[in-house]
Amino acid sequence: DAGITQSPRHKVTETGTPVTLRCHQTENHRYMYWYRQDPGHGLRLIHYSYGVKDTDKGEVSDGYSVSRSKTEDFLLTLESATSSQTSVYFCAITEGTGGLEQYFGPGTRLTVT
Amino acid sequence: QKEVEQNSGPLSVPEGAIASLNCTYSDRGSQSFFWYRQYSGKSPELIMFIYSNGDKEDGRFTAQLNKASQYVSLLIRDSQPSDSATYLCAVNPTDSWGKLQFGAGTQVVVTP
Repeated sequence: DAGITQSPRHKVTETGTPVTLRCHQTENHRYMYWYRQDPGHGLRLIHYSYGVKDTDKGEVSDGYSVSRSKTEDFLLTLESATSSQTSVYFCAITEGTGGLEQYFGPGTRLTVT
Repeated sequence: QKEVEQNSGPLSVPEGAIASLNCTYSDRGSQSFFWYRQYSGKSPELIMFIYSNGDKEDGRFTAQLNKASQYVSLLIRDSQPSDSATYLCAVNPTDSWGKLQFGAGTQVVVTP
């Protein structure tokens, strides 16, 4: 599992509330990613990080922000959750050995009511 | 629009047979290609990656890449019921290091 944990694993929240998802890794990987997975769309990149305080947008970044103040933690924040953000969120890392292979955490199932 | 396309399936395969999965991509400059297996309710698991044209074998899995035709395929030999899962194709497009694009996945069902 590449030493990745995600918290919470499940969350139900109401429209308009802020939500923060946490990705934690224990192996000092430089590159970290947040994806969402929805039926019919596969996995889509939200944001990624290439180091502490270095982040960039992915394909579906609107409505999301991220922060990375420590190597081991990559936080995804929904400032004001909407029903369209109901999804399964996966964090991933690249081990940084020169390849691009990404390894995924266990995921967070978020439901916005 | 850069796209990765897969047949959604389900692809029904008798136990012991070869499962053949295909993936096409639109960005001709893509260099890196990945196959993930995802069981229902679980996270994607990397099973193969290929960077050069041709075949790459790992156990019962073979990845085949043809950049000229812009497709990558996955063969699963001697299919087992435990191979029943959704298989995701991912591509790293040109000038987008690390920003993988995924297909929607092909569901494989291996029948005893």
